Amino acid sequence: SQQGEEDPQALSIQEGENATMNCSYKTSINNLQWYRQNSGRGLVHLILIRSNEREKHSGRLRVTLDTSKKSSSLLITASRAADTASYFCARSANNLFFGTGTRLTVIP
Amino acid sequence: GAGVSQSPRYKVAKRGQDVALRCDPISGHVSLFWYQQALGQGPEFLTYFQNEAQLDKSGLPSDRFFAERPEGSVSTLKIQRTQQEDSAVYLCASSAYLGTGFSPLHFGNGTRLTVT
Repeated sequence: SQQGEEDPQALSIQEGENATMNCSYKTSINNLQWYRQNSGRGLVHLILIRSNEREKHSGRLRVTLDTSKKSSSLLITASRAADTASYFCARSANNLFFGTGTRLTVIP
Repeated sequence: GAGVSQSPRYKVAKRGQDVALRCDPISGHVSLFWYQQALGQGPEFLTYFQNEAQLDKSGLPSDRFFAERPEGSVSTLKIQRTQQEDSAVYLCASSAYLGTGFSPLHFGNGTRLTVT
C-alpha cells in the first residue's frame, strides 16, 4: 500500500475483549489518524495523534505513537458487536496516505 | 445534510465509455481528496486539491484519469475509455487544513464503478 501497513489483517474476538491493531509507516509524519469503515460506507474519523504526542484517549479508544519506530497502535477496550468494521491508519504529512486495514470481527 | 455528497452512488459502464463522478464537499473545506478503493483493500490516493489548485496528482493511474475543482468547491473525477481494472469504489473526502498536517477527513459514501 501507499507507505502504511496495519496488522493483523484480520482479527476476531469475543464481545467484551480488547482489540489491538498496529500500524507501521515509512516516512516522517505531522500526525497520524485512525479511521473506521463499515461495509459499503465511507470512512469515519476516530482519532488523531500529533507527532509530538505519545498517547491519546477517546472513550474506549486508546492510541499510541512511537515515532522512533514509525509505528502506532489502536486499542479498543471492552469491544462490542457494533465495533465490527475495518480500521485504517492514515499518515499525514504533505499528503494523507492510508494503510491496508485491519478487519475486526466482534462476536456477540 | 452537511456531509460530503457523492453521485452517482453506483455506476455501470461498458468498457470504453467515459464516466464522470461528482463530489460535493463540506462547505468551506479547503482540501479535497480522491481515493480509489478496491474490494478488501485500503483507499489508494489518487489526487488532492487545495481550493481550486490540484497540488498532487501523482496517484492517478493513467492519463485516462482527470480531476478538476474549478471553483474550489465541487469536484469531478473523469475517467476516459474505462477499462475493467478501473472497477472500484471511488471515495471523495474533504477537510479543513491545519498549519502542519491535515485535519480529519470527512468522507462521502463513495461511487461504486463497475466496468463490464
